[in-house]
Amino acid sequence: DAGVIQSPRHEVTEMGQEVTLRCKPISGHNSLFWYRQTMMRGLELLIYFNNNVPIDDSGMPEDRFSAKMPNASFSTLKIQPSEPRDSAVYFCASSLYRVYEQYFGPGTRLTVT
Amino acid sequence: QKEVEQNSGPLSVPEGAIASLNCTYSDRGSQSFFWYRQYSGKSPELIMFIYSNGDKEDGRFTAQLNKASQYVSLLIRDSQPSDSATYLCAVNPRGYSTLTFGKGTMLLVSP
Repeated sequence: DAGVIQSPRHEVTEMGQEVTLRCKPISGHNSLFWYRQTMMRGLELLIYFNNNVPIDDSGMPEDRFSAKMPNASFSTLKIQPSEPRDSAVYFCASSLYRVYEQYFGPGTRLTVT
Repeated sequence: QKEVEQNSGPLSVPEGAIASLNCTYSDRGSQSFFWYRQYSGKSPELIMFIYSNGDKEDGRFTAQLNKASQYVSLLIRDSQPSDSATYLCAVNPRGYSTLTFGKGTMLLVSP
């Protein structure tokens, strides 16, 4: 079975550009999580979807960040405009039921210059 | 504020020894507790979870939970060089359907 799929794996962009990260959760999982990981702040939850509906977006840093989940098999995280402090590894994770056993994707390493 | 604290390490142990990784959390009503392992450059993977006070064993791994002390630990017996990784403690706070992660403890097992 395929795990969580994320694309792109690496993204290098200039400050001010729009960045879109993509995630395909494991088939049948009804919860999806977007995380950001940095050395300074560790692994932080950005937003959590349950059955395609955003439940908790309190971790989204500011209005420059937005996330959508148009269907059960696809989600996007968009940053517009991007800033150097957004440089991090962004992980998508899915689970069959809320917090229980989250499966993480390989991550997208974002570098904003 | 929901907080999960871990010693950043590195914790260095020789091959075959017991590695003990510790974690404290601030929300006394937290419901469930998870240990994730993250190899360098890779994504976190779940290795253990525990909900009740006491010990839970799975192979070489034992998770220990003490809710009164707000403390959870992970013991790795017969440590192997392949156990060298960062171990993340995660807590499900009361009233939330999400996890709060600690920053992780780096474990180094030397041959």
